[in-house]
Amino acid sequence: EADIYQTPRYLVIGTGKKITLECSQTMGHDKMYWYQQDPGMELHLIHYSYGVNSTEKGDLSSESTVSRIRTEHFPLTLESARPSHTSQYLCASSEPGQATNYGYTFGSGTRLTVV
Amino acid sequence: AQSVTQLDSQVPVFEEAPVELRCNYSSSVSVYLFWYVQYPNQGLQLLLKYLSGSTLVKGINGFEAEFNKSQTSFHLRKPSVHISDTAEYFCAVTDTGTASKLTFGTGTRLQVTL
Repeated sequence: EADIYQTPRYLVIGTGKKITLECSQTMGHDKMYWYQQDPGMELHLIHYSYGVNSTEKGDLSSESTVSRIRTEHFPLTLESARPSHTSQYLCASSEPGQATNYGYTFGSGTRLTVV
Repeated sequence: AQSVTQLDSQVPVFEEAPVELRCNYSSSVSVYLFWYVQYPNQGLQLLLKYLSGSTLVKGINGFEAEFNKSQTSFHLRKPSVHISDTAEYFCAVTDTGTASKLTFGTGTRLQVTL
């Protein structure tokens, strides 16, 4: 049973709209991550956070932004959606120092389509 | 920085046959290695991991993987697959220093048929 929740699961939205993808976890994990996944391609880290008020950009440049005001919540925002943002977005979390012991816990993802 | 290469994008196999999914990595430092599975319309689930010690690691659902440092490989194997093993499989690596951010391969689609 998933302890990390992403909403919505699917989203179709018009170009230029502002959207926020929600990610919440109930495990009290300090570390959280956003990955972008395109079909047939690897997962690319776009944002991560090591705790409240801590956010960093990942390896893949992204026009999205994130915030971490509460430990359990790590939303991702696109101010003006474009068709190039069409992708699947996966949120994950891990305990500090335990990423290697337990691995990441992933949410079910949000599949975003911008038309 | 690390990188991961999954040599096969798709692997078709009949049920009850053995399977090997290949993974090679590149890194200038020591690494931890992982295999994840993604079922349709779901997130990723950890199958197994190599941190240290025995180079043969066993995971869930009957999967195992062998770490080969000289060949920089971490191939995933199962002696007898089931229809329910049909999924996308991702190999991932992180360096032992930061042990935090994972770098993933492009994935291998395992398609099991009768």
